[in-house]
Amino acid sequence: EPEVTQTPSHQVTQMGQEVILRCVPISNHLYFYWYRQILGQKVEFLVSFYNNEISEKSEIFDDQFSVERPDGSNFTLKIRSTKLEDSAMYFCASRFRTSTPNEQFFGPGTRLTVL
Amino acid sequence: GQQLNQSPQSMFIQEGEDVSMNCTSSSIFNTWLWYKQDPGEGPVLLIALYKAGELTSNGRLTAQFGTTRKDSFLNISASIPSDVGIYFCAGRSLGETSGSRLTFGEGTQLTVNP
Repeated sequence: EPEVTQTPSHQVTQMGQEVILRCVPISNHLYFYWYRQILGQKVEFLVSFYNNEISEKSEIFDDQFSVERPDGSNFTLKIRSTKLEDSAMYFCASRFRTSTPNEQFFGPGTRLTVL
Repeated sequence: GQQLNQSPQSMFIQEGEDVSMNCTSSSIFNTWLWYKQDPGEGPVLLIALYKAGELTSNGRLTAQFGTTRKDSFLNISASIPSDVGIYFCAGRSLGETSGSRLTFGEGTQLTVNP
């Protein structure tokens, strides 16, 4: 069964460093998302991406964050200058199209630790 | 932003028992989803609901889209040890833009004692 994959599974970085989290969505999906989950808390929406542009972003997704689909398979989240409070699990999700409007499928996550 | 209240926060049950959990929102939702998350993994979609009153089953799991469109329920019958995990409700508000962001509840931590 096709699934969303994410790399790396765990990233440790120093405060102020840039990190890039990578995702490969399900191949025929058209809508892509990033969410984050601080340890012990609920999952929070960051950004949605469709047709090579951001379609929606949350208040968490400030100028330090950016997303890109550099080729036909990868979808990346970049944090330019990491802060301690960026430590969280970051989940990529994708969905097919409007026939299944909100069935978003999640990857296994990347645990980001900022020291 | 939208808020979902999910209860209970945690449940400790014996194997074989039935489980119920629910989510309520302050605004009308047009989609309710239920996910399960195992430790260190991403949420896995269990059931999706799109119409008020809709009742959908997936094996021993049954979920309902509340008639007020502001709540949803998940029931697990005859629980087994592998049901252990965190169950999240998630939904999309009627007023959301085309980005289709999902709002998640706080989660229900389920523990099943053999």
